[in-house]
Amino acid sequence: KAGVTQTPRYLIKTRGQQVTLSCSPISGHRSVSWYQQTPGQGLQFLFEYFSETQRNKGNFPGRFSGRQFSNSRSEMNVSTLELGDSALYLCASSPGPLQGMNTEAFFGQGTRLTVV
Amino acid sequence: AQTVTQSQPEMSVQEAETVTLSCTYDTSESDYYLFWYKQPPSRQMILVIRQEAYKQQNATENRFSVNFQKAAKSFSLKISDSQLGDAAMYFCASSGSARQLTFGSGTQLTVLP
Repeated sequence: KAGVTQTPRYLIKTRGQQVTLSCSPISGHRSVSWYQQTPGQGLQFLFEYFSETQRNKGNFPGRFSGRQFSNSRSEMNVSTLELGDSALYLCASSPGPLQGMNTEAFFGQGTRLTVV
Repeated sequence: AQTVTQSQPEMSVQEAETVTLSCTYDTSESDYYLFWYKQPPSRQMILVIRQEAYKQQNATENRFSVNFQKAAKSFSLKISDSQLGDAAMYFCASSGSARQLTFGSGTQLTVLP
């Protein structure tokens, strides 16, 4: 069974640009959540999608958005990039809603975004 | 809101020895779950062990076990017979009614040959 796939693995963007990251969950998983990992702030929750609906959102500005498609694949978009958006973006999938034991999420290898 | 604290930024252990990583958490919820994740240089987060808060018995997975002290809100990870492949960043995490994982700041574990 294939794991969680994130594309691209590496990305370099210029301030002010926008970027779209993609996440394909494990087959059969319907929940996808996103996390930002930086040396200064650690791992922070961005949002969770389940059945194409955003179910929860972390404390990030509106420049961060996402969506989920009917096949459970998810995309995350960051507009008007800032230097501080440089981070590792991790996607995780779980079979059901991200609650309780389903918080045993399976992570992808991440997308390393560098903003210059 | 939940908070998770890991007070040991770095730890080291000799191969074949035992090491304990510390974690404390805070939550006002009665139903929650605790996890230890491992992040090797490949950056992929791997679940090591999980604990349901309502279970008194400490979870065990092969060489990995936890010491769950609910009253003290402590959740430490013990790694027995450490192996070189155990070297990684270890994150303690919690989840509750909010649909998200809350992570600690991590402990970088070095295994010395």
